[in-house]
Amino acid sequence: AQSVTQLGSHVSVSEGALVLLRCNYSSSVPPYLFWYVQYPNQGLQLLLKYTSAATLVKGINGFEAEFKKSETSFHLTKPSAHMSDAAEYFCAVSDRSGYSTLTFGKGTMLLVSP
Amino acid sequence: EAGVTQFPSHSVIEKGQTVTLRCDPISGHDNLYWYRRVMGKEIKFLLHFVKESKQDESGMPNNRFLAERTGGTYSTLKVQPAELEDSGVYFCASSPSGGTQSTVRGQYFGPGTRLTVT
Repeated sequence: AQSVTQLGSHVSVSEGALVLLRCNYSSSVPPYLFWYVQYPNQGLQLLLKYTSAATLVKGINGFEAEFKKSETSFHLTKPSAHMSDAAEYFCAVSDRSGYSTLTFGKGTMLLVSP
Repeated sequence: EAGVTQFPSHSVIEKGQTVTLRCDPISGHDNLYWYRRVMGKEIKFLLHFVKESKQDESGMPNNRFLAERTGGTYSTLKVQPAELEDSGVYFCASSPSGGTQSTVRGQYFGPGTRLTVT
């Protein structure tokens, strides 16, 4: 069975500061890993994904994540936060079968202050 | 390209009533998923269609939930009779079939339907 742990239900940063959202996964097989973002009143939007092509994955809006197998982690970072980054972020894992049901973490709300 | 759409955006019903949620996936996407997020909890998988067939319904909570996908296009999720614990946000997602490891694109999510059972 797969599982995802996101550390911190809320993370607060100042505008311009580094954003670090933590995600650890558990999977018995090599996984696919995803980060999704949900802005208020919108659906989940894919930020980036890891499919084993490269361990450092770049996504939209300046976000990136690094897959570390030894640490079973897939933390999301952005060098400089913008006010528009305030949203809820979800880490998810799926197996490598043809039908990729997602298992999500509980989500982390990112708060950005001026 | 139109995204995944869901209707209604909000629904408030009384315990014991019936509610039907609708999802229109992206045109051409064979895979359609339903997920639910109960307040304070993680988003959880309910079921997965491939075209009109149920591929996996292991996440359906009980037999009060019935999902259909007519002709492999839109899908409905009916809750009958609704209970208080059914309240939450119901998400639909779709994805295309096939592809290799390098073309995994994740699932495209709709905005969700917020269901409140009182």
